[in-house]
Amino acid sequence: DAKTTQPTSMDCAEGRAANLPCNHSTISGNEYVYWYRQIHSQGPQYIIHGLKNNETNEMASLIITEDRKSSTLILPHATLRDTAVYYCIVNNNAGNMLTFGGGTRLMVKP
Amino acid sequence: DTAVSQTPKYLVTQMGNDKSIKCEQNLGHDTMYWYKQDSKKFLKIMFSYNNKELIINETVPNRFSPKSPDKAHLNLHINSLELGDSAVYFCASSQEGPYRETQYFGPGTRLLVL
Repeated sequence: DAKTTQPTSMDCAEGRAANLPCNHSTISGNEYVYWYRQIHSQGPQYIIHGLKNNETNEMASLIITEDRKSSTLILPHATLRDTAVYYCIVNNNAGNMLTFGGGTRLMVKP
Repeated sequence: DTAVSQTPKYLVTQMGNDKSIKCEQNLGHDTMYWYKQDSKKFLKIMFSYNNKELIINETVPNRFSPKSPDKAHLNLHINSLELGDSAVYFCASSQEGPYRETQYFGPGTRLLVL
């Protein structure tokens, strides 16, 4: 059972920021938030993860609310190549099992 | 350089046959996985191998058997293929320890059973 809720789909204009929300209201104190994406016909790709602090890397930023019940993945300048399904996953790092839900299908449009 | 590679990319076979899918990673990771993505696009973990020991088996039928000759390889052998086995199979790897959920996936093997 996925522990996260994400919108089924979203659109974003090329060059604009894409903000992908994720609800994880039952997250426990030792669970991390992970984001992966899957571009069409490719394997999933790790993007970023965090526990409670906001995180940024070369791909994206992750904003986690103070109560940790939701988070937002931000792609600051979306390109057409960012069109993919984005998965938000919570995991406690004690095991290595990733449980993928339905994800959000992001369509970046010219 | 391909970090996680799988062969073949496509596999079309008849029901009842036995087939294998190979996976190799050159990342030096300790743990490897097999995932199945069905026609509805849901990704589900099948197996996890750590130092050549099976540590997860998510109620996968016995017809599926992972084989790891060394920690850089995790092959998937499937006996008596059934129509419902048609799916995309992804191999992945990660480093043992914290953040093992940071996994690197291969390009997938598209299996079609006729």
